[in-house]
Amino acid sequence: LAKTTQPISMDSYEGQEVNITCSHNNIATNDYITWYQQFPSQGPRFIIQGYKTKVTNEVASLFIPADRKSSTLSLPRVSLSDTAVYYCLVGSGYSTLTFGKGTMLLVSP
Amino acid sequence: DTAVSQTPKYLVTQMGNDKSIKCEQNLGHDTMYWYKQDSKKFLKIMFSYNNKELIINETVPNRFSPKSPDKAHLNLHINSLELGDSAVYFCASSQEASSYNEQFFGPGTRLTVL
Repeated sequence: LAKTTQPISMDSYEGQEVNITCSHNNIATNDYITWYQQFPSQGPRFIIQGYKTKVTNEVASLFIPADRKSSTLSLPRVSLSDTAVYYCLVGSGYSTLTFGKGTMLLVSP
Repeated sequence: DTAVSQTPKYLVTQMGNDKSIKCEQNLGHDTMYWYKQDSKKFLKIMFSYNNKELIINETVPNRFSPKSPDKAHLNLHINSLELGDSAVYFCASSQEASSYNEQFFGPGTRLTVL
């Protein structure tokens, strides 16, 4: 299983763009990269998933370089409600998804 | 309608007791999971069932026994509760047993063992 490394915490202000980078140096050919968001006292929620290049949805963008050894979750114009823990996961097929400790994003006014 | 529901939301009990947590999903998914999130917020998978069959069983004490009466339900029974079992337990489901599939999580059950 590909291990992931992300910053423990990040701080931002409302209206800024936030980029959270995840390292996964031993990612396998078939592995996809998935990001989840967890608010306090709630279960994680799927945000975005990608394999290579760039993926965008109504919530975020995911940038994956050609070597796929890292990925960056981009949250445009964050608000206070984006304060949460963000998890980067890598896996394929029936492999177990390991959530790790995630990145605690704190958005201030 | 709640997609993945768990009961109870809070559970406080004494060491040595036996307790159960119930989980139901109305999404028609084939796969269900149990996760444990400890006080350090580390979220770790415990079990996974696909169409009522166990497919993932991580290193979990055998005091923990999942039961899937049908593919919409995955209950977690815990025998002889210990202090270290205190955590938040999350149930989740996905369309298939693949890490590609989005997992939908329940609201969690906070278990406190005294």
